[in-house]
Amino acid sequence: AQKITQTQPGMFVQEKEAVTLDCTYDTSDPSYGLFWYKQPSSGEMIFLIYQGSYDQQNATEGRYSLNFQKARKSANLVISASQLGDSAMYFCAMREGAGGYNKLIFGAGTRLAVHP
Amino acid sequence: GAGVSQSPSNKVTEKGKDVELRCDPISGHTALYWYRQSLGQGLEFLIYFQGNSAPDKSGLPSDRFSAERTGGSVSTLTIQRTQQEDSAVYLCASSSRGGSTEAFFGQGTRLTVV
Repeated sequence: AQKITQTQPGMFVQEKEAVTLDCTYDTSDPSYGLFWYKQPSSGEMIFLIYQGSYDQQNATEGRYSLNFQKARKSANLVISASQLGDSAMYFCAMREGAGGYNKLIFGAGTRLAVHP
Repeated sequence: GAGVSQSPSNKVTEKGKDVELRCDPISGHTALYWYRQSLGQGLEFLIYFQGNSAPDKSGLPSDRFSAERTGGSVSTLTIQRTQQEDSAVYLCASSSRGGSTEAFFGQGTRLTVV
């Protein structure tokens, strides 16, 4: 079974608007961490934001926020005020268990195109 | 170095040859990951090293693939008898211990099997 599911192969958004990239996950472990990465066309993997399963509040990092809905096992990334430089692949990832002893598993990714 | 270093950055090899890909993680990072990314696709987990624990090899696609990590630092991913379907970018990442810590990625090795 897929551990991380990203149902949107591609998304586009108008510059300066907000966009939500979907991510659902599957785990029976009560302790886990969720990550979002950005991969521009250059190929580098850039860490964006982290959400722990016990965190009470949604994570935010600048224009990035994570809409964490634990009961739905959903961890959507919201990018506010989109910029042309946001055009890239975006990957959701999960690490099960506490203490960082387990591997990081990635979803298939969503390609975001920001239009001027 | 300051980041994760992978070598070579590009490798072209003939079908049937063996290749070795190297990863030098960030100093002090106990966890090291190898992933494979085919063109336009997601990251396929291959293998994970954490400190002195036995590696998690559950993602290795066949027995032609193996990896080792010497002295808890540098790792080598070896692909024996390469096939054309092995062509991909091989990404290495490392992280420090701790569930909330992100993995830092190298620039990858682009492997082309001809």
